[in-house]
Amino acid sequence: DAKTTQPNSMESNEEEPVHLPCNHSTISGTDYIHWYRQLPSQGPEYVIHGLTSNVNNRMASLAIAEDRKSSTLILHRATLRDAAVYYCILRPQGNTPLVFGKGTRLSVIA
Amino acid sequence: GAVVSQHPSWVICKSGTSVKIECRSLDFQATTMFWYRQFPKQSLMLMATSNEGSKATYEQGVEKDKFLINHASLTLSTLTVTSAHPEDSSFYICSAPTGVSYNEQFFGPGTRLTVL
Repeated sequence: DAKTTQPNSMESNEEEPVHLPCNHSTISGTDYIHWYRQLPSQGPEYVIHGLTSNVNNRMASLAIAEDRKSSTLILHRATLRDAAVYYCILRPQGNTPLVFGKGTRLSVIA
Repeated sequence: GAVVSQHPSWVICKSGTSVKIECRSLDFQATTMFWYRQFPKQSLMLMATSNEGSKATYEQGVEKDKFLINHASLTLSTLTVTSAHPEDSSFYICSAPTGVSYNEQFFGPGTRLTVL
């Protein structure tokens, strides 16, 4: 599986934007970039995914580098409910499982 | 979004007993479901892929005779932990892919298993 590298932890102030980085230098041309997050004692939750172009949805934005070797998940205004572990995962299209790395633990300070 | 449920949400059992965990897709059909295990302060680890109407495929190191998986219908997969021991205590989570090209996966809320 293509690997991703994320910082172990990050901290943000409430109401401020958060940029969560992910490096994936060995990404293949068919890999989609997925982001999931896991709140304490819950199953993971889908956040966003993309292939080449930047993507926006109601939860976040995904900025993908032109060479696709890195990406950034952007939370526009962090709230206390956004405190979670965020996972950046590469996955080819199709009915395949997600393989989780260690993720980034995001803390949000009031 | 789609909903995946798990039952029970938590279970405590004695060593040597078997425990069954159910995973249901409530508003969509899932020909495939995935089972994960998560130990405290660790990431999710894929255990097996559950396929409707056929045998599950297990990841390396996961004992298929200990973790029995049955995908009896398009909305239900079960994981049975047989002869559970304290080291099997963990958070068990299922997921099911759906959407265009299966690009979204929906996860159940997890089942906390404690073996005494």
